[in-house]
Amino acid sequence: QKEVEQNSGPLSVPEGAIASLNCTYSDRGSQSFFWYRQYSGKSPELIMFIYSNGDKEDGRFTAQLNKASQYVSLLIRDSQPSDSATYLCAVRSGGSNYKLTFGKGTLLTVNP
Amino acid sequence: GAVVSQHPSRVICKSGTSVKIECRSLDFQATTMFWYRQFPKQSLMLMATSNEGSKATYEQGVEKDKFLINHASLTLSTLTVTSAHPEDSSFYICSARDRTGYTEAFFGQGTRLTVV
Repeated sequence: QKEVEQNSGPLSVPEGAIASLNCTYSDRGSQSFFWYRQYSGKSPELIMFIYSNGDKEDGRFTAQLNKASQYVSLLIRDSQPSDSATYLCAVRSGGSNYKLTFGKGTLLTVNP
Repeated sequence: GAVVSQHPSRVICKSGTSVKIECRSLDFQATTMFWYRQFPKQSLMLMATSNEGSKATYEQGVEKDKFLINHASLTLSTLTVTSAHPEDSSFYICSARDRTGYTEAFFGQGTRLTVV
């Protein structure tokens, strides 16, 4: 069974700090990796996706992928209270299977 | 990103009744739509995948006779929860994929179903 594991948290960081969110996955055939932010009672919002090993930066967000270690992370620089949310990691396998498998999410709290 | 719209955003129904939820792709043609369910403090679980003009594919443990999915056009899929019970109360979310294969990463705003 394909699994995506995340530390449930809560992860608490002070405003302005770097928040680091981690995710591991079991399926070595996974090819696409997504990070979502979900506010309470709302639908997930796509933050970033990454396909290749290494880092991908978008504004204050950096996604890091290491396929050998089956590990993907999300760094949030200059964390803001508005970043407080649950962050979901999702993984998509290769081939014609377009299903996304989600982790349970990490609750992040940014303290002013 | 791609725009996916769900309706209604909230619905309360009586036990035993049926509820229909709509998912529309607003700026692209959705060849495939995905329906997810999320219980409180849990992650999203895929319920079924529907392809335009064909029967939906249900995930293991999801009752196809209870959760009816219709994907009659390239911009609309519906999920009908039949004979709803309180344990069906959940947050239902859809996503849609076009031919490029990337749009399924975008979700509708979700429907909060409460069965009383």
